[in-house]
Amino acid sequence: DTEVTQTPKHLVMGMTNKKSLKCEQHMGHRAMYWYKQKAKKPPELMFVYSYEKLSINESVPSRFSPECPNSSLLNLHLHALQPEDSALYLCASSQDWTNAYNEQFFGPGTRLTVL
Amino acid sequence: GEDVEQSLFLSVREGDSSVINCTYTDSSSTYLYWYKQEPGAGLQLLTYIFSNMDMKQDQRLTVLLNKKDKHLSLRIADTQTGDSAIYFCAESILTGGGNKLTFGTGTQLKVEL
Repeated sequence: DTEVTQTPKHLVMGMTNKKSLKCEQHMGHRAMYWYKQKAKKPPELMFVYSYEKLSINESVPSRFSPECPNSSLLNLHLHALQPEDSALYLCASSQDWTNAYNEQFFGPGTRLTVL
Repeated sequence: GEDVEQSLFLSVREGDSSVINCTYTDSSSTYLYWYKQEPGAGLQLLTYIFSNMDMKQDQRLTVLLNKKDKHLSLRIADTQTGDSAIYFCAESILTGGGNKLTFGTGTQLKVEL
């Protein structure tokens, strides 16, 4: 199984809502990532988890709250988002981000619209 | 900081070769990658090159690396309509105890019949 799955595929939420994005992999990877991608732009790294511990937070606003319940799962909790947070949210995983060769496997993304 | 630069758009005819260029920023990057993104999908790794190589060939794909100029290119031979997508180069930068990827600005490849 070389797949990263993400749910939901699409999400529309109001600025006062609380929602969560989910990501799962069963490749035994120990690093997992959240990226934000705006239309026609490259993915921008948000968070890195390594061995279920948060290693990188790229100065992401606190309305985004990541969680790694176990080595296969990664969540992104959303609260009080702004319309400019509308984007494609991509999850990725890799064997071990301390490896020099760090091939990342990407999920299909969640298309988030904030009204 | 500096961006990893790519040209925005490339249009080729089916059967021709495509060359996508990338200028990266960190001369200490050990690996450089090429990813493909089709509409509405995630990114798919196409190929990569180790920094001590100057060329790598993988079926229709050829990667050239000029470390002195920090220039990377991807050549797709016999380009097909299924190759239409956005292509991102990425450099691996050691930071915070691990290797994070910084992506280029992306090149949209359009293949015409």
